[in-house]
Amino acid sequence: DAMVIQNPRYQVTQFGKPVTLSCSQTLNHNVMYWYQQKSSQAPKLLFHYYDKDFNNEADTPDNFQSRRPNTSFCFLDIRSPGLGDAAMYLCATSRKVGTRTDTQYFGPGTRLTVL
Amino acid sequence: DQQVKQNSPSLSVQEGRISILNCDYTNSMFDYFLWYKKYPAEGPTFLISISSIKDKNEDGRFTVFLNKSAKHLSLHIVPSQPGDSAVYFCAGSARQLTFGSGTQLTVLP
Repeated sequence: DAMVIQNPRYQVTQFGKPVTLSCSQTLNHNVMYWYQQKSSQAPKLLFHYYDKDFNNEADTPDNFQSRRPNTSFCFLDIRSPGLGDAAMYLCATSRKVGTRTDTQYFGPGTRLTVL
Repeated sequence: DQQVKQNSPSLSVQEGRISILNCDYTNSMFDYFLWYKKYPAEGPTFLISISSIKDKNEDGRFTVFLNKSAKHLSLHIVPSQPGDSAVYFCAGSARQLTFGSGTQLTVLP
C-alpha cells in the first residue's frame, strides 16, 4: 500500500542534543511537509519542499532544519532541542498540479520528548 | 492570529444520532476547505472537502456545508457510529493548509 512512513514513532532526546526525524513516502508525491503539533493545538506548518525547492514558514525557528535528498525521503533536524520543542511532528505529502496542491496525506507522526 | 477556529474542543453524541462539528474562518483567500479525522497514535486522514464555489458536498454519511457569507463550515455525520470517535480538524487552503485546533468527537453506544 502506498503510504507515508515516519521513524521513529517515539523519540526521546536530551536538552540541547541534536535529533533527526525521518519521513519516507511511496506515493511519489512532489511536495513534502513538516508540521509541529502541540497538545490540543492545530498542526503548525514548519516548512515544505516542492521537489527540491525548500520553503520555510516565516515563524519557524532557526533551530529547525530540513533535508530532502530525494523524492522519497525528507528529514527534520532539530539542532539544539529545547523543552518547548517537545511535540508531535507530522510529515505529510501531496501532489502539486499547476498552482494548486492536492489533498495532503499524513504519516503517523513522531512524538518527541525532550528531557 | 487564528485563521481557522473550532470553538468546541469536544462533543458527545449518542450512536445513531447526528453529529455536527463547526468551524469558523477569517481568511477570505481560502478557496478550498477540508476535514481530517485523527485517531490516537495515527496521523490525520483526509475525510471530505469542499470548494469555495459550492455550499454542500456529500460523501456517504458525511456532509460538509459551507456558508461563505458567515465564513462558517460544518461537518454533519449521520448516523453517528462509535467508530467515528476521533479528533476532527477542519482546514482552509490558500497557499498552504491552515488547520483548526480540532474537536474531539465521542459517539456513545
